[in-house]
Amino acid sequence: AQSVTQPDARVTVSEGASLQLRCKYSYSATPYLFWYVQYPRQGLQMLLKYYSGDPVVQGVNGFEAEFSKSDSSFHLRKASVHWSDSAVYFCAVSAGMGYKLTFGTGTSLLVDP
Amino acid sequence: EAAVTQSPRSKVAVTGGKVTLSCHQTNNHDYMYWYRQDTGHGLRLIHYSYVADSTEKGDIPDGYKASRPSQENFSLILELASLSQTAVYFCASSARVDTQYFGPGTRLLVL
Repeated sequence: AQSVTQPDARVTVSEGASLQLRCKYSYSATPYLFWYVQYPRQGLQMLLKYYSGDPVVQGVNGFEAEFSKSDSSFHLRKASVHWSDSAVYFCAVSAGMGYKLTFGTGTSLLVDP
Repeated sequence: EAAVTQSPRSKVAVTGGKVTLSCHQTNNHDYMYWYRQDTGHGLRLIHYSYVADSTEKGDIPDGYKASRPSQENFSLILELASLSQTAVYFCASSARVDTQYFGPGTRLLVL
């Protein structure tokens, strides 16, 4: 069975600082990996996705993530955060595009202005 | 961009009552999904559907039924609502090989 672990429930960073949100996955085959963001009282929006090729994938709003098969990780990064990045970030894994997603428990990011 | 709408956006229900949550998508997506989100937790899949008139059980189907009368519409039904079903419910849709797009969610409070 597939699973996702996001070890940090809450992260606080200062505006302009760099960011890394951690994600570890468990899946027997090559996974499809996603990062979603949820702003307060809104639905989830996809930031980026990975299923093959360059292990570093670029997403919206300056976010990127790096896939590591050896480490079973898919960490999200941003070079310089803005206060508007404050939200909850979910990592998710799927057996394939269009298949059901398994989500991590999320990381709540607070950016101090 | 995909458009997924949900109704109602919030609802208060009584224990033992019937609740129907509706989802509508306008992008000809084959796949539709219902997830629930509990405070401090990620989303968990309740039911999903690959085609109209057919539904599949997800990871936590107990206490829920689903209905897909058309490609555009997907409903989640709580026949006998319970306190433990208080949560935020999200509908999502995707094309056969594409990203899932989520609706804005429905906040359900069961008293």
